[in-house]
Amino acid sequence: SQTIHQWPATLVQPVGSPLSLECTVEGTSNPNLYWYRQAAGRGLQLLFYSVGIGQISSEVPQNLSASRPQDRQFILSSKKLLLSDSGFYLCAWSVGTGANQPQHFGDGTRLSIL
Amino acid sequence: AQSVAQPEDQVNVAEGNPLTVKCTYSVSGNPYLFWYVQYPNRGLQFLLKYITGDNLVKGSYGFEAEFNKSQTSFHLKKPSALVSDSALYFCAVRGSGSARQLTFGSGTQLTVLP
Repeated sequence: SQTIHQWPATLVQPVGSPLSLECTVEGTSNPNLYWYRQAAGRGLQLLFYSVGIGQISSEVPQNLSASRPQDRQFILSSKKLLLSDSGFYLCAWSVGTGANQPQHFGDGTRLSIL
Repeated sequence: AQSVAQPEDQVNVAEGNPLTVKCTYSVSGNPYLFWYVQYPNRGLQFLLKYITGDNLVKGSYGFEAEFNKSQTSFHLKKPSALVSDSALYFCAVRGSGSARQLTFGSGTQLTVLP
């Protein structure tokens, strides 16, 4: 069966520090991968998605970037964190083809910026 | 543009009573509709989806959802609520004619009272 792992579960970082959040998927090949941010326990904002290695689409301009160095690895990064980057970051995957496929989520990383 | 509306931020229901969480949508083409549940500090869990066919879709944990094309709605239902059903519920949509990713509603907090 497929599983998705995100780490760390929680992270406290000072303003201006760099960031690297990692997400890996097991048990499937060539998944679509997604990064979301959830603010205040409510709506999800899609940040990035990837349909293959090295292919990244950004949904909103921001202080963050994403990379996909391997088929089942998705990394969210920042060079200098802002207070507004605080939030709950969720990684998700879906089967590579078909708009009717659901996305499956990891357990998230809660990021607090001090 | 595709959109999802969850008109109720909060739904309270007594244990053992039926529950309904409302969702309406707007998309280009035929809709692909999804329901997710989120427990505190966890990722979203996929409950069920509507792609085509029978308007009543059955999913995990006894949940079902009714697709109504004329009302562009996809309400989540359960005949008998459990206290453990208390969580945040998200409706999501993607249009078959759109290259856009999933669009999520703002979420409905369900509280089942013992």
